[in-house]
Amino acid sequence: QKEVEQNSGPLSVPEGAIASLNCTYSDRGSQSFFWYRQYSGKSPELIMSIYSNGDKEDGRFTAQLNKASQYVSLLIRDSQPSDSATYLCAVKGDSNYQLIWGAGTKLIIKP
Amino acid sequence: DTGVSQDPRHKITKRGQNVTFRCDPISEHNRLYWYRQTLGQGPEFLTYFQNEAQLEKSRLLSDRFSAERPKGSFSTLEIQRTEQGDSAMYLCAWGGNNQPQHFGDGTRLSIL
Repeated sequence: QKEVEQNSGPLSVPEGAIASLNCTYSDRGSQSFFWYRQYSGKSPELIMSIYSNGDKEDGRFTAQLNKASQYVSLLIRDSQPSDSATYLCAVKGDSNYQLIWGAGTKLIIKP
Repeated sequence: DTGVSQDPRHKITKRGQNVTFRCDPISEHNRLYWYRQTLGQGPEFLTYFQNEAQLEKSRLLSDRFSAERPKGSFSTLEIQRTEQGDSAMYLCAWGGNNQPQHFGDGTRLSIL
């Protein structure tokens, strides 16, 4: 059974600080990794994609991938109250069309 | 612009009734996916179409759930004999094989 694990939280971070979200996955053959943000009652929205080991930066967001340790993380710098949401990690294996999803981490940014 | 339009946005029905949801890609998207999401969980894969062909489906679609994509354009998801446990957000998504998937606004189903 392929799995993606996330700490459900909530993770509480002061405004302006760095929020760090983590995700581990079980399938060593996984090729593609995605972070989505989901506000309450809304559908998931893509934030970052990462495909190779290392860091990928986009504005205040940095995704980090370590395939040897089978984890992927998301850093949010200068956290804003509008960043308060659930962050979902999704992993694509090499054998089928499915994305395997974590249950999400609820992030709360305190003003 | 989410790339797909879902209808209806909300559906309230009595247990035992049949419901049908629709997903319309705004532009041509070869790959189309259906997911179900309940509170506190990630999206749960239901089925995948490439054009009109249904290439993959979860075990959920072998019974009361069925999906179609005639002519490779819009898609429908039908749930027969609804149960309380079917209450969820039903999401349609498009995207490439190793590329991200992008979601529509979803249909929220409530079973009374």
